[in-house]
Amino acid sequence: QSALTQPASVSGSPGQSITISCTGTSSDVGGYNYVSWYQQHPGKAPKLIIYGVSSRPSGVSNRFSGSKSGNTASLTISGLQAEDEADYYCSSYSSGSTQVVFGGGTKLTVL
Amino acid sequence: EVQLVESGGGLIQPGGSLRLSCAASGFTVSSNFMSWVRQAPGKGLEWVSVIYSGESTYYADSVKGRFTISRDISKNTVYLQMNSLRAEDTALYFCARDGADYSFASWGRGTLVTVSS
Repeated sequence: QSALTQPASVSGSPGQSITISCTGTSSDVGGYNYVSWYQQHPGKAPKLIIYGVSSRPSGVSNRFSGSKSGNTASLTISGLQAEDEADYYCSSYSSGSTQVVFGGGTKLTVL
Repeated sequence: EVQLVESGGGLIQPGGSLRLSCAASGFTVSSNFMSWVRQAPGKGLEWVSVIYSGESTYYADSVKGRFTISRDISKNTVYLQMNSLRAEDTALYFCARDGADYSFASWGRGTLVTVSS
């Protein structure tokens, strides 16, 4: 069982917006602004798309946005495109000996 | 250009040992924190270990006491020594370099470790 909870799957049609949630505790998501999101296409390494809850690395589309409320972080993808179909993972810094925790991943299907 | 290349994976019997390597280029491993993240077949990402620029190290509970992370500055390489391997350690092991705010900005392609008799 993963430390952070994500829905197993979400889907949307091209052009629509979807939101993926990531729920933790006050020891990780709720306690720090250190939530990151990764996109992983099949057979590829993960790619950082959001860090520090809502910041985008250079080169990442502004269709990707992040937010946080309490112990739950969210990733929103607007204007869905076929190439967005992938697995998405959240992660957070965690106090204690386990420095980083991941969510179980969410499979995004673009209908 | 930042590049990370993992090596050292393979098929190993339960109880055996392996040492994974992560050769870095385009930056200095000693000035960043470097992590290992693994992904079991068909499963999600699991953080394994980190070595900070000051050389402090941390481990996931699942590998604590069995795995050791280290680095060789002269070779600009990070290692993961894995002992007492178990079937549940079977995974693709990624090396990752830190970004801001405890994120992982750069990843290698991974090296596959299969623990089986």
